[in-house]
Amino acid sequence: EAGVAQSPRYKIIEKRQSVAFWCNPISGHATLYWYQQILGQGPKLLIQFQNNGVVDDSQLPKDRFSAERLKGVDSTLKIQPAKLEDSAVYLCASSLKGGMNFGPGTRLTVT
Amino acid sequence: GDSVTQMEGPVTLSEEAFLTINCTYTATGYPSLFWYVQYPGEGLQLLLKATKADDKGSNKGFEATYRKETTSFHLEKGSVQVSDSAVYFCALSEGGSYIPTFGRGTSLIVHP
Repeated sequence: EAGVAQSPRYKIIEKRQSVAFWCNPISGHATLYWYQQILGQGPKLLIQFQNNGVVDDSQLPKDRFSAERLKGVDSTLKIQPAKLEDSAVYLCASSLKGGMNFGPGTRLTVT
Repeated sequence: GDSVTQMEGPVTLSEEAFLTINCTYTATGYPSLFWYVQYPGEGLQLLLKATKADDKGSNKGFEATYRKETTSFHLEKGSVQVSDSAVYFCALSEGGSYIPTFGRGTSLIVHP
């Protein structure tokens, strides 16, 4: 089976600009997650979707971050406007019944 | 809240050396424990897990035993290979949740 796909793999933007990341989960996986992994730290959960509904977004900085999962399949994560401290790898993961599958991540550099 | 503490890296070893990466946890209940591995340029992969005290998880020559008395889940491998070079993350999840809380990760570098 194909794994979790993410794009772009790398993105460099200036602070105050906007950026969007895309995730295509494994077919049939109802649950989708976005994690933020800052260099030298473990991944931190930002948001969890069950189908197209949000289950947990308590760690999402809602003043600048937004995410959606239309039709319960693909998902996008947006940052507007970006800050220097948003430089990180953004990981998408999906699961069916436990057992999370992670994508390769998008490395964001904010200058 | 729940947390995981891992030894700082990088850990640098020669091929065929013995590996230990220490991990301790803090949790209110009885968590499940995991080791994930991240190879360069790839996503996180589940390496092994243990769901209750004294369970031993194992995969690809790696082992870790769930020690409730010392709240530890140390990762070991008897003979490392260059291909084991990666970042290793210890993680836990509480109750019926499969959502892991990760440690900071430990980089392993294996030289030929």
